Amino acid sequence: GAVVSQHPSRVICKSGTSVKIECRSLDFQATTMFWYRQFPKQSLMLMATSNEGSKATYEQGVEKDKFLINHASLTLSTLTVTSAHPEDSSFYICSGSGGQAETQYFGPGTRLLVL
Amino acid sequence: QKEVEQDPGPLSVPEGAIVSLNCTYSNSAFQYFMWYRQYSRKGPELLMYTYSSGNKEDGRFTAQVDKSSKYISLFIRDSQPSDSATYLCAMRHTGNQFYFGTGTSLTVIP
Repeated sequence: GAVVSQHPSRVICKSGTSVKIECRSLDFQATTMFWYRQFPKQSLMLMATSNEGSKATYEQGVEKDKFLINHASLTLSTLTVTSAHPEDSSFYICSGSGGQAETQYFGPGTRLLVL
Repeated sequence: QKEVEQDPGPLSVPEGAIVSLNCTYSNSAFQYFMWYRQYSRKGPELLMYTYSSGNKEDGRFTAQVDKSSKYISLFIRDSQPSDSATYLCAMRHTGNQFYFGTGTSLTVIP
């Protein structure tokens, strides 16, 4: 299957700082990338969908000015959590879809802890 | 009504048992059906992908799609402790929006 990487795998930051998470499709071109967050023992929550070269589409209730998404190339998308607060602590997972792939391939996730 | 319904479990079975995981859906336009496995603190991993109705087998895993009943299943034969995870069903129509079940937590007891 297709491979998606995420970096960093975990990050701890102070409240008020910004954190950038990178998502890369390693062996396919991801025309669409998705960002999810997941709280412990809960299901995936879609945050936003981004198509390469276009602005991301955010789900209801997700602040686009707080969660900045950039999808500048077919293999890279970034999520920046701006002015992070403890309630932003969560597991963030990206996925990519594109080309002949009719499905999504997920990254390994990034665990964010805001102190 | 949710687009996709999945029993959250938890489901606990002895090693070697046959496991049946199921999802129902309401949108008859769904054409692509997926099963993912998610271990704790990891991203979901694609297990099975099927297009339209029918069965697909891969090793110990069999995916079934019954579009007339709007019902999909994942069967795991000879279940192993390493199969203990949360299993997510997902589906989509021709657009790029995916619909996920909430996941079923499975524990296989040695």
